[in-house]
Amino acid sequence: AQSVAQPEDQVNVAEGNPLTVKCTYSVSGNPYLFWYVQYPNRGLQFLLKYITGDNLVKGSYGFEAEFNKSQTSFHLKKPSALVSDSALYFCAVRDYNFNKFYFGSGTKLNVKP
Amino acid sequence: EAGVAQSPRYKIIEKRQSVAFWCNPISGHATLYWYQQILGQGPKLLIQFQNNGVVDDSQLPKDRFSAERLKGVDSTLKIQPAKLEDSAVYLCASSLEPRANTIYFGEGSWLTVV
Repeated sequence: AQSVAQPEDQVNVAEGNPLTVKCTYSVSGNPYLFWYVQYPNRGLQFLLKYITGDNLVKGSYGFEAEFNKSQTSFHLKKPSALVSDSALYFCAVRDYNFNKFYFGSGTKLNVKP
Repeated sequence: EAGVAQSPRYKIIEKRQSVAFWCNPISGHATLYWYQQILGQGPKLLIQFQNNGVVDDSQLPKDRFSAERLKGVDSTLKIQPAKLEDSAVYLCASSLEPRANTIYFGEGSWLTVV
């Protein structure tokens, strides 16, 4: 069965510090992995994706994610957090065979000044 | 490029009433999705259209929810009669074709059932 797990409901980090939001997945075949961000009262915005190639993927707003096949993980990272990064982050995996997106439960990122 | 448009943004109704949400996808996007996002959870797919045909509606509560995309462009999601547990954000999304790598979301329609 395809699934995505975000083990942390909330991540707190001080502005200027590096941040990591964790995601692990389970999928048959090659994984297509995504990160989306949701600001209060807004829809989901696409941040970045891994399809194939380099394990380090760069996306919008200075975010990047590292694909680790052996650990089945796709953690979201940013070298220096901003207060404006505070939002809800969703990891998603696409099942290519059935074209379904499976979303994690979300991680709330709080960046304190 | 215009994004996915949804209306209304906010709706409050009493239980057993009906409500309809409208979505206009990104121009040229053949695939349209309706997701339900309950507070504190990730989005859950309700129905997926390819042009005007249904690809997947396995998680749509068909006794009360219905959706259509008659001309293969915009879509309407209806709930009748509404229950308290239907309080959620209803997100419309679209992609170029069924196996497109990225789907794009609208701002969502926030439903409160009282």
